[in-house]
Amino acid sequence: KAGVTQTPRYLIKTRGQQVTLSCSPISGHRSVSWYQQTPGQGLQFLFEYFSETQRNKGNFPGRFSGRQFSNSRSEMNVSTLELGDSALYLCASSLEGQVNEQFFGPGTRLTVL
Amino acid sequence: QKEVEQDPGPLSVPEGAIVSLNCTYSNSAFQYFMWYRQYSRKGPELLMYTYSSGNKEDGRFTAQVDKSSKYISLFIRDSQPSDSATYLCAMKRGGSEKLVFGKGTKLTVNP
Repeated sequence: KAGVTQTPRYLIKTRGQQVTLSCSPISGHRSVSWYQQTPGQGLQFLFEYFSETQRNKGNFPGRFSGRQFSNSRSEMNVSTLELGDSALYLCASSLEGQVNEQFFGPGTRLTVL
Repeated sequence: QKEVEQDPGPLSVPEGAIVSLNCTYSNSAFQYFMWYRQYSRKGPELLMYTYSSGNKEDGRFTAQVDKSSKYISLFIRDSQPSDSATYLCAMKRGGSEKLVFGKGTKLTVNP
């Protein structure tokens, strides 16, 4: 069974630009969560989607948004990029009601210059 | 005070040593407790999870939860160089889909 895939793996953007990251969950997994990982703050929850609906949201500004498609694939968007948005963005998928067994993708490394 | 505290290390041990990794937390509503391992330039990999208090063993790994002390531990027996990674604790409330992570402890096992 294929794992969680994320594209692209690496991105370099400049301040003020916007970026879209993509995540394909494990087949059969309908819950997709996004996290931001930085050395200073660690792993922080961004949001969680299930059946195309955002069910949970972390404490991030509105510049961070996401969506989920009918095939459970998910995208997250960051608008008006800031230097502090440089991070590893991780996507994780799980079966319904089993977020304690989340499976993570390799992440997208975003660098904002 | 952060909801989950984890000593970032780094922790360096010789091969074969017993490793103890710990997290403390402040939210008594947490009911599910997980340990993830993250190798460099990879996503976290789920090692173990436990529900409520107690112990759980899986091969060389043992997870312990003490809810009265708000303290969880992961023990690694007969540590191997391949165990060198960052170990992250995570936890969540019942009915919530949001995981709260510790910052991770970087472990190096020296051959």
